[in-house]
Amino acid sequence: DGGITQSPKYLFRKEGQNVTLSCEQNLNHDAMYWYRQDPGQGLRLIYYSQIVNDFQKGDIAEGYSVSREKKESFPLTVTSAQKNPTAFYLCASSYTGDEQYFGPGTRLTVT
Amino acid sequence: KQEVTQIPAALSVPEGENLVLNCSFTDSAIYNLQWFRQDPGKGLTSLLLIQSSQREQTSGRLNASLDKSSGRSTLYIAASQPGDSATYLCAVRNSGGYQKVTFGIGTKLQVIP
Repeated sequence: DGGITQSPKYLFRKEGQNVTLSCEQNLNHDAMYWYRQDPGQGLRLIYYSQIVNDFQKGDIAEGYSVSREKKESFPLTVTSAQKNPTAFYLCASSYTGDEQYFGPGTRLTVT
Repeated sequence: KQEVTQIPAALSVPEGENLVLNCSFTDSAIYNLQWFRQDPGKGLTSLLLIQSSQREQTSGRLNASLDKSSGRSTLYIAASQPGDSATYLCAVRNSGGYQKVTFGIGTKLQVIP
């Protein structure tokens, strides 16, 4: 089955801890994206990557980091520098400029 | 800066009704426009993708139209069903450069049996 997987579905962390969210795709897509979704707001882009070993900051990259060592994988680390990390995180992929496909999301709660 | 607005924010209709969801965008220099469905607590499911050169796309009971010059798209749902209840989001991909995608906040649809 082709698709995008995100893990875990729910994640709970204490303030001050870094946490890494997983995103894997087997669609052979070149581009991958991380978005954050908060109630009453549209999806906001955190980071994107158009090819392996290259990624660019989106609109709200502060407090986040990513890597793209393999085409299939684009993990997101939420660092302790992120002021309001509690949110729903969505990973997506696409062929460059084409239709985006989304994973099921990870709900992160930081207390 | 591209801005995407979806009206109405919420809509409640009886089962069987035909309905229209609206999406407007401020910058007409777009590459494509995509409609998504999102169920509570879930990821986004792609419904339709319209390229900038196209006027409409159809899939089953769904029809999406695009008027690039006026900055508008509509999603038409025929013969609505309770299973259509979800939030519908519109996303616009800009042309040129990175081709950034801008999302609307969505329209929350409830279809009442």
